[in-house]
Amino acid sequence: EMQLVESGGGLVQPGRSLRLSCAASGFIFEDYAMHWVRQAPGKGLEWVSGISWKSGSIGYADSVKGRFTISRDNAKNFLYLEMNSLRVEDTALYFCSKSSSGSFGAGINNWFNAWGQGTLVTVS
Amino acid sequence: QSVLTQPPSVSGAPGQRVTISCTGTSSNIGTGFDVHWYQHLPGTAPKLLIYDNSRRPSGVPDRISGSKSGTSAYLAITGLQAEDEADYYCQSHDSGLRGSVFGGGTKLTVL
Repeated sequence: EMQLVESGGGLVQPGRSLRLSCAASGFIFEDYAMHWVRQAPGKGLEWVSGISWKSGSIGYADSVKGRFTISRDNAKNFLYLEMNSLRVEDTALYFCSKSSSGSFGAGINNWFNAWGQGTLVTVS
Repeated sequence: QSVLTQPPSVSGAPGQRVTISCTGTSSNIGTGFDVHWYQHLPGTAPKLLIYDNSRRPSGVPDRISGSKSGTSAYLAITGLQAEDEADYYCQSHDSGLRGSVFGGGTKLTVL
């Protein structure tokens, strides 16, 4: 069974940093692109960032570009999100999700076939 | 403001059929990118219901179906059950934004 478990969320002041982690199991992690998706309180899902299977292609939503950095460790089956210069509007439940293929980038329309339960980030 | 537009809410009685629309633009659905659908109960992990407009992952019942026409996609649920009450999101790819985009979500209420 595919499993994704996020950690690293918490309460942080505006302008500070936080690093989220996602532990993956139950599938060949290095074969798939991975993504972060968030949900602010009372709002819908928002794609945040994606990374291809070998980290060769990376992308960000405009709302986090220049502040967030996605990375992965295929040897350890972990996905990360380094969040800097946090803003109040970054407050959200952050989900780690598995892509339907190993590729990520312009024109590649992946879907997300496994999700974690999320880790809550509160910026206040 | 979400890139893909969904109605905020829909409702139906048990046993009835409901349809949720998802409208995009020429830079996403209208340019040919497929649409995927998710069911989300607050506090839980979202669940993939439909991928590539109309394909169902194993385990999703055939009373749930998807379609696409022009710049819009549709999720249909027949034989409504109490357990269908949840939030539903469409998702696609946007060539201008170079990433995934979601609809704003639709809350389904089973009366």
